[in-house]
Amino acid sequence: QQQVKQSPQSLIVQKGGISIINCAYENTAFDYFPWYQQFPGKGPALLIAIRPDVSEKKEGRFTISFNKSAKQFSLHIMDSQPGDSATYFCAASYNFNKFYFGSGTKLNVKP
Amino acid sequence: GAGVSQTPSNKVTEKGKYVELRCDPISGHTALYWYRQSLGQGPEFLIYFQGTGAADDSGLPNDRFFAVRPEGSVSTLKIQRTERGDSAVYLCASSSRDGSGYTFGSGTRLTVV
Repeated sequence: QQQVKQSPQSLIVQKGGISIINCAYENTAFDYFPWYQQFPGKGPALLIAIRPDVSEKKEGRFTISFNKSAKQFSLHIMDSQPGDSATYFCAASYNFNKFYFGSGTKLNVKP
Repeated sequence: GAGVSQTPSNKVTEKGKYVELRCDPISGHTALYWYRQSLGQGPEFLIYFQGTGAADDSGLPNDRFFAVRPEGSVSTLKIQRTERGDSAVYLCASSSRDGSGYTFGSGTRLTVV
């Protein structure tokens, strides 16, 4: 059973637009929800993360919205830039022991 | 070093051969994790070390896969009798005991031909 489901698989956004990626999780014991950015040939890099006791977290142009009752969370990238073009993964973990990753969203920001 | 170092960056091996993949964690990080990332997929957990011991090896797909961390720092992932389906990027991550500073390396791309 897939623990974390991510959509869409790919996304094309114009420069300056808003990119939105969604994730849903199964296990209510998860207590940490990060988003990772991955460029080709590189490992995933932490972008932003949230705990389930808050509904939103913002860092610069990146915002996580968290809906505990629906078991869903999303990443919003405001004022998207061509340099944001990468693959984004949501993940969930319990006590940092291991992360369950979504299948990824390939974002292409057109100039 | 400043980050998690994985060597080699690329490894091509023949089906049936044995391979070892190395991970050098961030200095001082007690926790070390191995993941496998197949093409177009998210990383999948393999094994997690806290110090020298494997705290959770539930993600290892079968007994051909084994990992060690004898001195609580460098870890080696060992794959016996490699199969074409083992081809993937193997990622290592490390963190402090409480999970802070969780950082991934760039991975080893393993190709079994």
